[in-house]
Amino acid sequence: KQEVTQIPAALSVPEGENLVLNCSFTDSAIYNLQWFRQDPGKGLTSLLLIQSSQREQTSGRLNASLDKSSGRSTLYIAASQPGDSATYLCAVTTNDMRFGAGTRLTVKP
Amino acid sequence: DAGVTQSPTHLIKTRGQQVTLRCSPKSGHDTVSWYQQALGQGPQFIFQYYEEEERQRGNFPDRFSGHQFPNYSSELNVNALLLGDSALYLCASSWGGNSPLHFGNGTRLTVT
Repeated sequence: KQEVTQIPAALSVPEGENLVLNCSFTDSAIYNLQWFRQDPGKGLTSLLLIQSSQREQTSGRLNASLDKSSGRSTLYIAASQPGDSATYLCAVTTNDMRFGAGTRLTVKP
Repeated sequence: DAGVTQSPTHLIKTRGQQVTLRCSPKSGHDTVSWYQQALGQGPQFIFQYYEEEERQRGNFPDRFSGHQFPNYSSELNVNALLLGDSALYLCASSWGGNSPLHFGNGTRLTVT
C-alpha cells in the first residue's frame, strides 16, 4: 500500500527566503507525482506534474524534482512571497492517486 | 473555459440521512474522481469514473456510491450518514488517467 509523507508539517519563513518542501513515498512504481497548492477552504490547484520518466519540472519560481529510486520528491520555492502562504500537497499516482497530509507554509512580510 | 464546478458549496445533514453531491468536469475532460478531505488531512481517494463506469475505488464502504452521466458530469451519493462523514468532498477531472488533475472548490458537508 502506497504511503506518502510530507515533512515538515508546517513551516514559517520571512519573505524572500528560498525554501524546500519534502515528499516521500513507499512504492516507487509510480506513473507520476504532482504538487498542489491549497488555500484555506478551497480546492487544489495543480502546480507541477512530473511523469515517472522525468527528473524535474520548473514553473516560474517553482522547481520540483523526482527521485523514484529513493522514493523522494522536493518542491523548491525561490524568493518566497506572502502570497505563497498556503498548504502544499504532493500526490503520487499508481493505481490511484495518494496524497500526503501537506505542508502548511506561512511567508511573513 | 469553465473549470471544475461542484454543487452545493456547503451542506448540513443529520445522521442517517442521505446526500447527493454534484460535479461538472472541466471542458474536454472525460474522467472524474472523488476525494474526501478531513480537516488537516490530505484528500483520500473515493472512486474514479470513466465512460460512465466506476474504474477504480478506494477504501470506502458501499454507503458511498456514484454515477457518471453521458455528458461526463458526476454525482457522489452517501447513504446512512455518520458524523465521521463530515469533510470537504472534492471532485477532480482529467483527460484519461495520466494527465494533471483539475480540482473543484469542493462541497463542505457537515453531519450533525
